[in-house]
Order: sequence, then C-alpha cells, then structure tokens
Amino acid sequence: DTEVTQTPKHLVMGMTNKKSLKCEQHMGHRAMYWYKQKAKKPPELMFVYSYEKLSINESVPSRFSPECPNSSLLNLHLHALQPEDSALYLCASSQAMPGKIYGYTFGSGTRLTVV
Amino acid sequence: AQSVTQLGSHVSVSEGALVLLRCNYSSSVPPYLFWYVQYPNQGLQLLLKYTSAATLVKGINGFEAEFKKSETSFHLTKPSAHMSDAAEYFCAVTPDGGSQGNLIFGKGTKLSVKP
Repeated sequence: DTEVTQTPKHLVMGMTNKKSLKCEQHMGHRAMYWYKQKAKKPPELMFVYSYEKLSINESVPSRFSPECPNSSLLNLHLHALQPEDSALYLCASSQAMPGKIYGYTFGSGTRLTVV
Repeated sequence: AQSVTQLGSHVSVSEGALVLLRCNYSSSVPPYLFWYVQYPNQGLQLLLKYTSAATLVKGINGFEAEFKKSETSFHLTKPSAHMSDAAEYFCAVTPDGGSQGNLIFGKGTKLSVKP
C-alpha cells in the first residue's frame, strides 16, 4: 500500500458545525502533515506530527485541532470555521527523519467549503 | 531561511516541444529539492527529488531536473511535451536540510500544452 487516503473528498459545513477530516496511511511513515491550499496558490504547512507527537504548529487558529491517534491515522477537527477557511486540505506522510529525506506522499485532499 | 522561486506563473508549449520549468533556490545549507505535479482537483504527485546523490535526477513521465549549485537552480525539463502534461507544477525545498521534515513550496507554474 503506497497511498495516503483522505476522507471525505468533499465537505460542506456551516460556520457553527463541528466536523473532522481523516487521513490514513499504511506505509510505516512516522511523520504526517496537514497542508492548506487555497485556489491558485501553493500548499501551506499547518501541522507536523513526528512519531505521533505534534512537532510543528504554524500559528494555526484554534478552530483547527489536529489529532494523531496512532502512527497510521491523522485527523483534523474543525469547529466554528469561517468562509475564508474554504480550501483544499492536503494530508501527507514521509519517513523523514532529521537529516534524511525520503520523499513525501500526498493524499488527494478534502475540498472544504464553509457556508 | 530556505526558499524556492519559480520563474513564470504560466508556461505554454506546443505538443512535442521542449518543456522547461524554472526553479531557483535559496539555501545556506545543502538543500533537498523536489518537483511535484498537481492535476486539477487532485493532490500532489512526486515527479523527482534531489538529495545530493546525483546532480541529474530522472523522474517519472519522462521528466528530469539538473541541480546546479553555481546557479542555485533546479530546473525541470522534458524533451517532448504531451497533452497529458498540462497541470500545475511546484518546486519545493526542505528547510534546514531536512531537520524539521516539512516542505516549503514555490508559487507554482501552470503548464499548458497546445495541440
């Protein structure tokens, strides 16, 4: 299995809703990432988990809450989002360890629309 | 801080013509460099990566890139464009030589292929 699976593929939510995005990989990768991509822009890093511990939080608003229950799963909990949070949310994983780069595998993303 | 600059937000070529997408990097340490492709409404797919093993890197779908330290460049080329190559292409670098394990992307270049 060489894939990163993201669910759902599309999500429409109201500003008062609570929803979660899910990401799963079975490649044995110990680093997992959330990126946000607005239309016609490059992906921007949100969070990095390394060995199930949050290692980077790029000053993301608290209405986004990441969770890494185990080495194969990564969730992004959403609450009280704003319309400007509408974007493609990408999950990625890698075997990256300090000083060693093996490449990153991306999921196909969740297209989120906040109404 | 490390960064990448992609010259040209939009490149248009004819089918069968040479593809050249430009990427220059800024780094105080030996960089790890990547090229990714993104088709509409999809995630990112790794084309190739440079990790200091060889300066000429061959990737998937006939693409290759050459790392030139003297020019701080990592341009992506393909001898003959195909209609299926039309997509968005991102150059990316890992900050701090990979110690943090995340990617920083350039702004992207949209490749159009004319029949």
